[in-house]
Amino acid sequence: DAGVTQSPTHLIKTRGQQVTLRCSPKSGHDTVSWYQQALGQGPQFIFQYYEEEERQRGNFPDRFSGHQFPNYSSELNVNALLLGDSALYLCASSSVVDTQYFGPGTRLTVL
Amino acid sequence: AQSVTQPDIHITVSEGASLELRCNYSYGATPYLFWYVQSPGQGLQLLLKYFSGDTLVQGIKGFEAEFKRSQSSFNLRKPSVHWSDAAEYFCAVTNGGATNKLIFGTGTLLAVQP
Repeated sequence: DAGVTQSPTHLIKTRGQQVTLRCSPKSGHDTVSWYQQALGQGPQFIFQYYEEEERQRGNFPDRFSGHQFPNYSSELNVNALLLGDSALYLCASSSVVDTQYFGPGTRLTVL
Repeated sequence: AQSVTQPDIHITVSEGASLELRCNYSYGATPYLFWYVQSPGQGLQLLLKYFSGDTLVQGIKGFEAEFKRSQSSFNLRKPSVHWSDAAEYFCAVTNGGATNKLIFGTGTLLAVQP
């Protein structure tokens, strides 16, 4: 039974570009949450998707958007990248009967 | 607003010694509490969680944590630390359900001396 998977593992972009990160949830999970973890910090909640709708959102600008597909997988999109967007992006999946399990993350570097 | 405080940024213990990592939370109602561990460059692994019931909860890898409502604390303990326990540990809180957004502390980096 595969856990949460994320792709790509690493990504290097330049300022102003756009990026898409992908997440496949653990089998049986229908909810996907995204977190940003800057170096030396704890993860910060970006948003959560359930039934293909954004259900909760943290304090992140509209440059951060997402999508959930019918198979429960999800994408995180970031437009107009800034240097400060460099971080580890973590995806977590969950269900009403199971807590959040995290994927290995995508390391984004913005130059 | 909910918040989590982990007072110790960095802790060093000797292999075989006991360990206690501190976590204090701020939340009006009964919180859902978690401890996660993160090895370098890796994602987060769930160690244990508290939702309700017995205030002493057991987790994986020999870890346990005790919920103390009067002190707003949820400290993580292990009686005998192994070198493989060296990692960063995060305490987290959420409200209302297991799927709601997690609020994390800033983490405690654990080093283990031989």
